[in-house]
Amino acid sequence: NAGVMQNPRHLVRRRGQEARLRCSPMKGHSHVYWYRQLPEEGLKFMVYLQKENIIDESGMPKERFSAEFPKEGPSILRIQQVVRGDSAAYFCASSPDGYNEQFFGPGTRLTVL
Amino acid sequence: DQQVKQNSPSLSVQEGRISILNCDYTNSMFDYFLWYKKYPAEGPTFLISISSIKDKNEDGRFTVFLNKSAKHLSLHIVPSQPGDSAVYFCAADFTGTASKLTFGTGTRLQVTL
Repeated sequence: NAGVMQNPRHLVRRRGQEARLRCSPMKGHSHVYWYRQLPEEGLKFMVYLQKENIIDESGMPKERFSAEFPKEGPSILRIQQVVRGDSAAYFCASSPDGYNEQFFGPGTRLTVL
Repeated sequence: DQQVKQNSPSLSVQEGRISILNCDYTNSMFDYFLWYKKYPAEGPTFLISISSIKDKNEDGRFTVFLNKSAKHLSLHIVPSQPGDSAVYFCAADFTGTASKLTFGTGTRLQVTL
């Protein structure tokens, strides 16, 4: 039973480029969450999605960031026109319906040059 | 506004002894709590959880205690093993609804020989 998959594991972008982070939830999980961890900090919630729906995006920056979880395929976190402050580890988690426990992927480490 | 706090950034414990990691929260609406362990360059791994209807939950070497009146929880690891060396995060949520986790800033546990 494969866990939560994230790719790429490492992503380097220059300022102004776009970053696309992908997340495939565990089999049978219908809830996907994205978190960001800045250096020396805890994980901060960004967005919660179910298939084709954004349920809670209260942690998403108002500009440049977007997320989707289409009917088919992985969830995508998209960051447009990246800046150095976007450098962080981005973690995706999934959970089955009705459960509080979330299971995390290995993360994508984004470095903006 | 840090709603979940882990005031000890690091803890060192000898192998075989008890490790006690502490967590405080300020939002009295939280009623479900989780502990995660995180190794460098990996995603958080779920360890143990507790609902506010309980004051203790055990799973093998791990026990979580909840003191609702003090808004305090703790994770006990007995006996501590070198493989337990990692960063431990507590997180808070609301029962019965899949939603965002609010994380503390983490405590780095080192188990020495």
